[in-house]
Amino acid sequence: AQKITQTQPGMFVQEKEAVTLDCTYDTSDPSYGLFWYKQPSSGEMIFLIYQGSYDQQNATEGRYSLNFQKARKSANLVISASQLGDSAMYFCAMREGSNTGNQFYFGTGTSLTVIP
Amino acid sequence: GAVVSQHPSRVICKSGTSVKIECRSLDFQATTMFWYRQFPKKSLMLMATSNEGSKATYEQGVEKDKFLINHASLTLSTLTVTSAHPEDSSFYICSARVGLAGVLGTQYFGPGTRLLVL
Repeated sequence: AQKITQTQPGMFVQEKEAVTLDCTYDTSDPSYGLFWYKQPSSGEMIFLIYQGSYDQQNATEGRYSLNFQKARKSANLVISASQLGDSAMYFCAMREGSNTGNQFYFGTGTSLTVIP
Repeated sequence: GAVVSQHPSRVICKSGTSVKIECRSLDFQATTMFWYRQFPKKSLMLMATSNEGSKATYEQGVEKDKFLINHASLTLSTLTVTSAHPEDSSFYICSARVGLAGVLGTQYFGPGTRLLVL
């Protein structure tokens, strides 16, 4: 089974609007971390936000917030007030605590296009 | 935030030659670095986990003799693509974890290296 699933290959949003990028995960490990990265056309992976499985509150970082629904195993990224510079690929990733290699499992990504 | 650099950013080489890619953690020590490969419009595929002072751990299906990894110091890991062929053309990204082990500790990525084998 896929560890991380991103079901939206492409998304469009009007500038200044909010957009939600979906991410669901699959793990039986009670300890895990969820991450979102942005990859612009330059290729660099830019860390956006982190949510731990034991965190009580949803993570927020500026215009980014993570809608963490543990029972549903979802960790959707919400970008508020979209800007043209937000156009990029967005990847959801997970690391499990029991995984001694601490490797990341990545989703297939969502391509976001912000329309002026 | 922590910075990870990669060199070169782009490389074009002839088939049969070897190419070395360097990954450096600039302002922190990284006992573990990771090497990924990414095809156009695809996700990142973990190739190997590089541990300082020991042999790298390769993912299933990745040829260790083809992709040599050396993690000689706490700030440098290298990936050498030996006898490169056109099918090795790809975007290679390294990353390093900062902070605590386990689920904590953000993973930062280098800017990537675009390899084109003619």
